Amino acid sequence: EPEVTQTPSHQVTQMGQEVILRCVPISNHLYFYWYRQILGQKVEFLVSFYNNEISEKSEIFDDQFSVERPDGSNFTLKIRSTKLEDSAMYFCASRAGGSTDTQYFGPGTRLTVL
Amino acid sequence: GENVEQHPSTLSVQEGDSAVIKCTYSDSASNYFPWYKQELGKRPQLIIDIRSNVGEKKDQRIAVTLNKTAKHFSLHITETQPEDSAVYFCAALETSYDKVIFGPGTSLSVIP
Repeated sequence: EPEVTQTPSHQVTQMGQEVILRCVPISNHLYFYWYRQILGQKVEFLVSFYNNEISEKSEIFDDQFSVERPDGSNFTLKIRSTKLEDSAMYFCASRAGGSTDTQYFGPGTRLTVL
Repeated sequence: GENVEQHPSTLSVQEGDSAVIKCTYSDSASNYFPWYKQELGKRPQLIIDIRSNVGEKKDQRIAVTLNKTAKHFSLHITETQPEDSAVYFCAALETSYDKVIFGPGTSLSVIP
């Protein structure tokens, strides 16, 4: 069964550094998402992406964040200048589209900002 | 925007008993309600979902009910097993906005 994949599984970075988190959505899916989950807390929506543009974004998704689909398979989340409070698990998800609402989550990237 | 509340935050049941988790949502335009199970360190896994044109849905030991008028929905797990132990998240989606809002989660422990 196809799955969403994410790399790396764990990223450690220094405060102020840029990070890029990578996701490969399920191949025939059209809608892509990023969520984050601070340890022990709920999953929070960051951004949705369709047809090469952002559909929706939350208050968390400020100017430090950007998303890109650089080719036909990858979907990336960039954080330009990481802060300590960016430490969290970041999940990518994808959805087929049409009348299908189900979002399938990747395994996550644990980001640790020191 | 949408806000999803969830109760209880923790729940312990004896193996074989039933577990019920309740959620409320604020946006009457929300029309899709998934439930996710998350084991420690793992991704959220969809276990059941319900759309607003349906009042109840069942899949083996898991059932979900939806009351659109009251804006609440519930997850029912019968004959609980130790492997049901996990954090369960309810969520709501207003499809024209295409963003899923999660509840705070319920940590379920099934005691053998």
